[in-house]
Amino acid sequence: AQSVTQLGSHVSVSEGALVLLRCNYSSSVPPYLFWYVQYPNQGLQLLLKYTTGATLVKGINGFEAEFKKSETSFHLTKPSAHMSDAAEYFCAVGDGGSQGNLIFGKGTKLSVKP
Amino acid sequence: DVKVTQSSRYLVKRTGEKVFLECVQDMDHENMFWYRQDPGLGLRLIYFSYDVKMKEKGDIPEGYSVSREKKERFSLILESASTNQTSMYLCASSFSGGYNEQFFGPGTRLTVL
Repeated sequence: AQSVTQLGSHVSVSEGALVLLRCNYSSSVPPYLFWYVQYPNQGLQLLLKYTTGATLVKGINGFEAEFKKSETSFHLTKPSAHMSDAAEYFCAVGDGGSQGNLIFGKGTKLSVKP
Repeated sequence: DVKVTQSSRYLVKRTGEKVFLECVQDMDHENMFWYRQDPGLGLRLIYFSYDVKMKEKGDIPEGYSVSREKKERFSLILESASTNQTSMYLCASSFSGGYNEQFFGPGTRLTVL
């Protein structure tokens, strides 16, 4: 069965510092992987996704993630944090079926200090 | 742009009331989903539907039912609301296929007193 683990429920960085949010997955089939962002009192918005092909995926707002099969990881990074990046981030993996169900991690709340 | 709308952003109901949460999408998506989100628990799937009049239970269907009479609309029903159903409810939709992302509505924050 598919599962997702996000390491660290809270991450705090200084403005301008590197953002690294960790995601490890378990999947019995080649995984489809997603990162979503949620700003306070809003729904989730897709940041980026990996389906096939290039393992380094670029998303919106300067974020990118690298699919590493050997490490079963899909960590999210951004070279320089902005105050506006403060939000909750969710990693998700497709459940392996054709219907498009996703298994979500529990989320990581990112704080950005001035 | 894909748009998923939910009927209310905030809702306050009393214990025992019947509650309807409505979700509408405008992109002709086959799949629609209802989740609840609670601090520390992430998103948990309540029900999903992959076609009109079809529904499948998710991880936590107890106390909920759903209805999908038209492709664009998916309703979540709390037959008799209880205080432990106080939560944020998120609706999502997607095309069929495991590689397709889900598009989310803004959420409904439901409080049951």
